[in-house]
Amino acid sequence: GQQLNQSPQSMFIQEGEDVSMNCTSSSIFNTWLWYKQDPGEGPVLLIALYKAGELTSNGRLTAQFGTTRKDSFLNISASIPSDVGIYFCAGLYSGGGADGLTFGKGTHLIIQP
Amino acid sequence: GAVVSQHPSRVICKSGTSVKIECRSLDFQATTMFWYRQFPKQSLMLMATSNEGSKATYEQGVEKDKFLINHASLTLSTLTVTSAHPEDSSFYICSASFGLVLTDTQYFGPGTRLTVL
Repeated sequence: GQQLNQSPQSMFIQEGEDVSMNCTSSSIFNTWLWYKQDPGEGPVLLIALYKAGELTSNGRLTAQFGTTRKDSFLNISASIPSDVGIYFCAGLYSGGGADGLTFGKGTHLIIQP
Repeated sequence: GAVVSQHPSRVICKSGTSVKIECRSLDFQATTMFWYRQFPKQSLMLMATSNEGSKATYEQGVEKDKFLINHASLTLSTLTVTSAHPEDSSFYICSASFGLVLTDTQYFGPGTRLTVL
């Protein structure tokens, strides 16, 4: 199956700092998705990317679909306490008669007071 | 819009019993629903895909007789964990989509925490 490497695994930052995380793979994906999950809750979709090179923003969040289609990054600017949570990337692939969805292992964002 | 609910949010059961988890799309008709399993501090693992009125498609390694999925209507899918054992304890999350395949946007439910004693 497809494998996604998400990094960093966790981040300890100060409020107001910018955050950057990424996902890479040896496989090509058709779509990249970024989700945030709060403890005990289901993931919430933040940004969806459908084209290589696409750069999309959602408020203070910006994500890009890598031109090689094998990577994506998510940036959060001027972090605030409610940004705390686990961020997952997910890659969708289709081809050969099969569609697949793979999630990264998550980036745990912790904001220090 | 696109709200998905799950019931129950938490369930504790004895080993050997069966547990049913419901997933509902509250304000839209979901052509497809997906069931995921998530272990603590781990990522989501897709278990199965279900389309209304047809049999679910299970991912490799997921026992279909163990995890029974019924998608009776466009707004309801159920996952039944049969003869549950402690190793089935996990966080089960469903998602619903307007489309037919994984590439269509999925809206996730809040999850169900299953603990098997």
